[in-house]
Amino acid sequence: GAGVSQSPRYKVTKRGQDVALRCDPISGHVSLYWYRQALGQGPEFLTYFNYEAQQDKSGLPNDRFSAERPEGSISTLTIQRTEQRDSAMYRCASSLDPTGVPSSGNTIYFGEGSWLTVV
Amino acid sequence: DAKTTQPPSMDCAEGRAANLPCNHSTISGNEYVYWYRQIHSQGPQYIIHGLKNNETNEMASLIITEDRKSSTLILPHATLRDTAVYYCIVRVTGGGNKLTFGTGTQLKVEL
Repeated sequence: GAGVSQSPRYKVTKRGQDVALRCDPISGHVSLYWYRQALGQGPEFLTYFNYEAQQDKSGLPNDRFSAERPEGSISTLTIQRTEQRDSAMYRCASSLDPTGVPSSGNTIYFGEGSWLTVV
Repeated sequence: DAKTTQPPSMDCAEGRAANLPCNHSTISGNEYVYWYRQIHSQGPQYIIHGLKNNETNEMASLIITEDRKSSTLILPHATLRDTAVYYCIVRVTGGGNKLTFGTGTQLKVEL
């Protein structure tokens, strides 16, 4: 696609329910990232993938959070047994090159995000 | 990745240059300086990056001090559409593109 696409854009869920957030990266992009952003704060890294392999999940807050990218393209971030403190904007991003070597062609592109509200 | 320090907010008159400072006194030799901005609730947008030389592109200029302990992002002719939160990030090359965002500088461009 033309950009990073995320769905749903808005999700309201009851405490204790599971939610799945989807990310469709830019076509051909090898690396995919998940970030979380609270109001008034910068994005907070959660996890990232190169192809289908999860490279770093050090930012996932606890074991209720998980992510997968089974075919190296679309990714799903799943939050089990949601809590009110999970309410935030969840942003996905992608980049072409997995090496991270800085170049103008290795820019990270962010999606518009998924707003999650846990009530 | 090295920590960065930015002023929480700045104002700039439209048409004037906006100079956004960033301190990164613990930067190491293999760390690059990146700048991203976030307009309202949109996703962060890449602006520019550099290692030790000054850089310029169609969006901005990046001035890095000789000791690399600080840098300045320059928007030469700020417009109202440049109102955004600007993030200065330092990151090692390689090992993926993981970015660590701070709280950034809220730039407000006014008439």
